[in-house]
Amino acid sequence: EAQVTQNPRYLITVTGKKLTVTCSQNMNHEYMSWYRQDPGLGLRQIYYSMNVEVTDKGDVPEGYKVSRKEKRNFPLILESPSPNQTSLYFCASSQSRLRSTDTQYFGPGTRLTVL
Amino acid sequence: GENVEQHPSTLSVQEGDSAVIKCTYSDSASNYFPWYKQELGKGPQLIIDIRSNVGEKKDQRIAVTLNKTAKHFSLHITETQPEDSAVYFCAATTGFQKLVFGTGTRLLVSP
Repeated sequence: EAQVTQNPRYLITVTGKKLTVTCSQNMNHEYMSWYRQDPGLGLRQIYYSMNVEVTDKGDVPEGYKVSRKEKRNFPLILESPSPNQTSLYFCASSQSRLRSTDTQYFGPGTRLTVL
Repeated sequence: GENVEQHPSTLSVQEGDSAVIKCTYSDSASNYFPWYKQELGKGPQLIIDIRSNVGEKKDQRIAVTLNKTAKHFSLHITETQPEDSAVYFCAATTGFQKLVFGTGTRLLVSP
């Protein structure tokens, strides 16, 4: 089954404790992206990757890191989480690295709470 | 850059009624407008999209209309059913820039 998977689905942590949210897709997509969803703000892009070893900042990259060492995986790293990073996070992928008109496939989401 | 506004933020309808969600965009170069549906506990999923060379597109009970002059597009759901209850996001892009999402509309369909 074609899908985007994320782990963990739920995470409660404390300020300053490094964490990683994993994302994996099995569709051989070139483009992958991370979003955060907050009430009243919709989906805001954190980072994206057009291909292996190619990543770039989205609209809200502060406090986050990513890496793209393999085509299928795109982990999101919070080196020192803070309470304002409490949010619902989505990973997404699409076929093309050039055309944003390609359908984006979203993972099921990771709900993060930073105390 | 592109900015997308979406209204209303919440919409309640009775089963069988129609629902309309409206979005406006700022970049006149945008030419692709998808709509995503997010059910509870799941990620957004594409339900319909429209490109700038057409004014309307239908798929069974859902339709999208586009007015490029006014820079707005709308999602229409007819004969609503409880399973239509979800959060709906509109989005816009020029095709070579990133997809910009609206803030979402929570649709509640009451039996």
